[in-house]
Amino acid sequence: TQLLEQSPQFLSIQEGENLTVYCNSSSVFSSLQWYRQEPGEGPVLLVTVVTGGEVKKLKRLTFQFGDARKDSSLHITAAQPGDTGLYLCARVTGNQFYFGTGTSLTVIP
Amino acid sequence: NAGVTQTPKFRILKIGQSMTLQCAQDMNHNYMYWYRQDPGMGLKLIYYSVGAGITDKGEVPNGYNVSRSTTEDFPLRLELAAPSQTSVYFCASSYRGYGYTFGSGTRLNVV
Repeated sequence: TQLLEQSPQFLSIQEGENLTVYCNSSSVFSSLQWYRQEPGEGPVLLVTVVTGGEVKKLKRLTFQFGDARKDSSLHITAAQPGDTGLYLCARVTGNQFYFGTGTSLTVIP
Repeated sequence: NAGVTQTPKFRILKIGQSMTLQCAQDMNHNYMYWYRQDPGMGLKLIYYSVGAGITDKGEVPNGYNVSRSTTEDFPLRLELAAPSQTSVYFCASSYRGYGYTFGSGTRLNVV
């Protein structure tokens, strides 16, 4: 099993606050993906990071891949209620990808 | 463009019954996957396929079978359903590891 640990498991914040969620592994990733999943729906791919130290921005979301390619973070600036959902990281290994347990984010208006 | 379509959306099975979860994609993706997601958890890979006629086991294959006779379809078969198979099942596809797209899921309750 390819173990991916995500933290925190649950996060509840007020609209307008900033937050960071983390994805960690003891093994090196070849690449890593971040997804957001809303209740009753399948995960939707947000970004793929490949290079150690890489930073990608998607509007108010900033994704960083650690230099050693063992960890990644997702930072959300000025969170909005529409950001509410389950955030999942997934490591890509060959033809398979393995998911972390997720961070459940609730943004309170 | 429908993307990945899963049927049925909901199903209740009795212990010991069998069923097939259907998955179809119209994006000409070569890779297809089946995952299960238990409440409050991430997704666990059941089986995957890199092309028609090729399937392989993931993390949790026991109790399931798959086939891939065409590029478009990747059905998941449950034989002798057990309560431990109560879960939400997601099918996904990608083109050589890019453009991952998930279906909206099948909620299965085994009673």
